[in-house]
Amino acid sequence: AQSVTQPDIHITVSEGASLELRCNYSYGATPYLFWYVQSPGQGLQLLLKYFSGDTLVQGIKGFEAEFKRSQSSFNLRKPSVHWSDAAEYFCAVGARGGADGLTFGKGTHLIIQP
Amino acid sequence: EAGVTQSPTHLIKTRGQQATLRCSPISGHTSVYWYQQALGLGLQFLLWYDEGEERNRGNFPPRFSGRQFPNYSSELNVNALELEDSALYLCASSYRGLEQFFGPGTRLTVL
Repeated sequence: AQSVTQPDIHITVSEGASLELRCNYSYGATPYLFWYVQSPGQGLQLLLKYFSGDTLVQGIKGFEAEFKRSQSSFNLRKPSVHWSDAAEYFCAVGARGGADGLTFGKGTHLIIQP
Repeated sequence: EAGVTQSPTHLIKTRGQQATLRCSPISGHTSVYWYQQALGLGLQFLLWYDEGEERNRGNFPPRFSGRQFPNYSSELNVNALELEDSALYLCASSYRGLEQFFGPGTRLTVL
């Protein structure tokens, strides 16, 4: 069965500092990988996705992620965070074709210090 | 382009009642997914509808059901509500199983 681990429940970063959120997955086949962001009481917004090809993918709001098959990881990065980046971040894995829905990690709560 | 819409925003029911939640996908998307986000349990896959058919369901009892209409909109029905059904229910749509785009959710409270 597939699973996603986000080892950090909370992360606190100073505004302007760099950010890396960790994600490890377990999946039997070649996965589709996603990062979503959720503000309090809101739905999920897709930040970026990896289907195949270049292992470094660019997303919206200045985020990027790198797929490392050997480490089963898909870490999210941003070179300089803004106060508006404070939110809950979810990593997710899914099958090609969407058959099983997405399996989400528990999320990482990002706090931005002024 | 309009995103995924869900109604109602909030829904309050009592234990044993039935709840109906609605979702309209992005135009051109034929797949609708339902997820439950309950406190302490995270985001869990509930149901997948594609081209009007239920294609897959997650580990939820049969009292969670739904359907997809010819215009690809969908409704989720939860029968015999229990207190632990209180959660944010999220709908997502996709085209051909690619990335899923989520709606704002329906907050269901069971008293």
